[in-house]
Amino acid sequence: GAGVSQSPRYKVAKRGQDVALRCDPISGHVSLFWYQQALGQGPEFLTYFQNEAQLDKSGLPSDRFFAERPEGSVSTLKIQRTQQEDSAVYLCASSFAGDTPEAFFGQGTRLTVV
Amino acid sequence: AQTVTQSQPEMSVQEAETVTLSCTYDTSESDYYLFWYKQPPSRQMILVIRQEAYKQQNATENRFSVNFQKAAKSFSLKISDSQLGDAAMYFCAYRSPLSGTYKYIFGTGTRLKVLA
Repeated sequence: GAGVSQSPRYKVAKRGQDVALRCDPISGHVSLFWYQQALGQGPEFLTYFQNEAQLDKSGLPSDRFFAERPEGSVSTLKIQRTQQEDSAVYLCASSFAGDTPEAFFGQGTRLTVV
Repeated sequence: AQTVTQSQPEMSVQEAETVTLSCTYDTSESDYYLFWYKQPPSRQMILVIRQEAYKQQNATENRFSVNFQKAAKSFSLKISDSQLGDAAMYFCAYRSPLSGTYKYIFGTGTRLKVLA
């Protein structure tokens, strides 16, 4: 596709519910990143994939967060048993290769946990 | 660990005037990239300008330019001839090619208001 696509754009979840957020990177992009952006804050790194390999998951805040990219293209960020503090915008970004200077961002998914 | 600090939560500028957004960072690395991203209400992060640390010349992109002071670890963004469409959140970001992850480290952002 022309850009990074994320779905859904908005998600409201009841506390305790599981959610899955999808990211479609730019075609051919090897590297994929997930970021969490709390209200009024800058994005914070969650995890990084190179193709299907998850090379860094140091930013995942708890074991309730899980990300996968099984075929090296589309990625899914899953949050189990959502809690109110999980409310944030989740941004996905992709780049052609790991050492390409800039990454391209999607429009994010705004998750609200009620 | 690297950190990025934006000390101006909000700035205002009159249309057609010039404004400067501040950013400082901390790192022990010598090779890295610095970026300014714009985030409008649509939430999509849009690259404004990029600076390679090994380049002494300040980057420019049309009305946008940076003042990169490597020794002072300062990276400010100047917007000339401000337009209404420049109103957005602006984030300063650091990225190291040495980290193995190539992840961005962002500041907390500056909200820019453009007054007509």
